[in-house]
Amino acid sequence: AQSVTQLDSHVSVSEGTPVLLRCNYSSSYSPSLFWYVQHPNKGLQLLLKYTSAATLVKGINGFEAEFKKSETSFHLTKPSAHMSDAAEYFCVVSDTLINTGTASKLTFGTGTRLQVTL
Amino acid sequence: KAGVTQTPRYLIKTRGQQVTLSCSPISGHRSVSWYQQTPGQGLQFLFEYFSETQRNKGNFPGRFSGRQFSNSRSEMNVSTLELGDSALYLCASSILAGDGETQYFGPGTRLLVL
Repeated sequence: AQSVTQLDSHVSVSEGTPVLLRCNYSSSYSPSLFWYVQHPNKGLQLLLKYTSAATLVKGINGFEAEFKKSETSFHLTKPSAHMSDAAEYFCVVSDTLINTGTASKLTFGTGTRLQVTL
Repeated sequence: KAGVTQTPRYLIKTRGQQVTLSCSPISGHRSVSWYQQTPGQGLQFLFEYFSETQRNKGNFPGRFSGRQFSNSRSEMNVSTLELGDSALYLCASSILAGDGETQYFGPGTRLLVL
């Protein structure tokens, strides 16, 4: 069984300061990991994904995440927060199905609400 | 390329009624998944269709059903609506690429059950 734990339900940062959103995962197989962002009254937008090619993954809007197998973590970071980054962020795991090689079921964390202040 | 589209965007129903939601995937995508998002339960997987076949199913009652057509468009149906079915229903489409499968989400259909 797969699961995701987002360690903070709410994070508040000042504009221009670094962002760190923490995520730990549990997976039986070789996982694919994702971060999605959801702005108010919007759908989910893919920020970045990890699929074993490289442990440091760069995404859109200056976000990046590092896969650490020994710590079962996949934390999301950004060097400098912008007001437009204020949103809900979801860490997501998808087990790779052994027989098909495809991952078709996503398990979401509970989300971290990022607040950015002036 | 156009993204995932969902119709309608907003819907109000009363208890006991049924509802059908529609999802059009990104062109070329054959897999469509459905998720329910509520403040209390978060994002939960409903089911996934691939080439008109249900390939995966979450833990929802049989009142929730879906189907996929030959053009990959998908519908989900909820019968005998309950107040607790009020939620944002998200559809995602995906395609298998060299780096695995990635799901792209539509804007969702917000359902309110009165």
